[in-house]
Amino acid sequence: QSALTQPASVSGSPGQSITISCTATSSDVGSYKLVSWYQQHPGKAPKLLIYEVSERPSGVSSRFSGSKSGYTASLTISGLQAEDEADYYCCSYAGIRTWVFGGGTKLTVL
Amino acid sequence: QVQHVQSGAEVKKPGASVKVSCKASGYNFTNYAIHWVRQAPGQRLEWMGWINIDNGNTKYSQKFQGRVTVTRDTSASTVYIELSSLRSEDTAVYYCAREYGTRFDYWGQGTLVTVSS
Repeated sequence: QSALTQPASVSGSPGQSITISCTATSSDVGSYKLVSWYQQHPGKAPKLLIYEVSERPSGVSSRFSGSKSGYTASLTISGLQAEDEADYYCCSYAGIRTWVFGGGTKLTVL
Repeated sequence: QVQHVQSGAEVKKPGASVKVSCKASGYNFTNYAIHWVRQAPGQRLEWMGWINIDNGNTKYSQKFQGRVTVTRDTSASTVYIELSSLRSEDTAVYYCAREYGTRFDYWGQGTLVTVSS
């Protein structure tokens, strides 16, 4: 099955910017522009941050942005804040009405 | 407002089945699909399958094919997931989520299923 690879952890200081990558291991997943990103705080349900690579739902801070180049999607968080410390997951439509999540990235705000 | 309220935590023995519910409110239930995603302790999110509320069509991850069944009761605005032949590796929090244009925009609060002898 197709997979999405994320770094296990990233860190940054308040006010800095960080980027989390999400790389598809197969061309079927990698070719889609249907990548979404979710933020999950401990013990909470995931929250939608970005959809269709770079679109932001209403109510999500403009500090969160997404992009994609080739098989790698990226989530950038600018102006890091303490409350951004959480786990972040990418997710892609994988064809024939199936989906796949990345392994997750733990963001530490130093 | 859109809400998905899931049933309470379950403890099951290996080999048993479990059925978790997800009650939707605040939107036209039959216009959407509902997905199930699980998360084992300290592990990643894992997509399990989905149901088209309007026609009842389903699709499951190959990993769970044959062991999982997703159903819906439109009169109760509720979706169910049943997982059979439980093993310890099925211990996880199970989430329902609404699909909107291939993204999951509203999630339930999660249901912890513990499989232990």
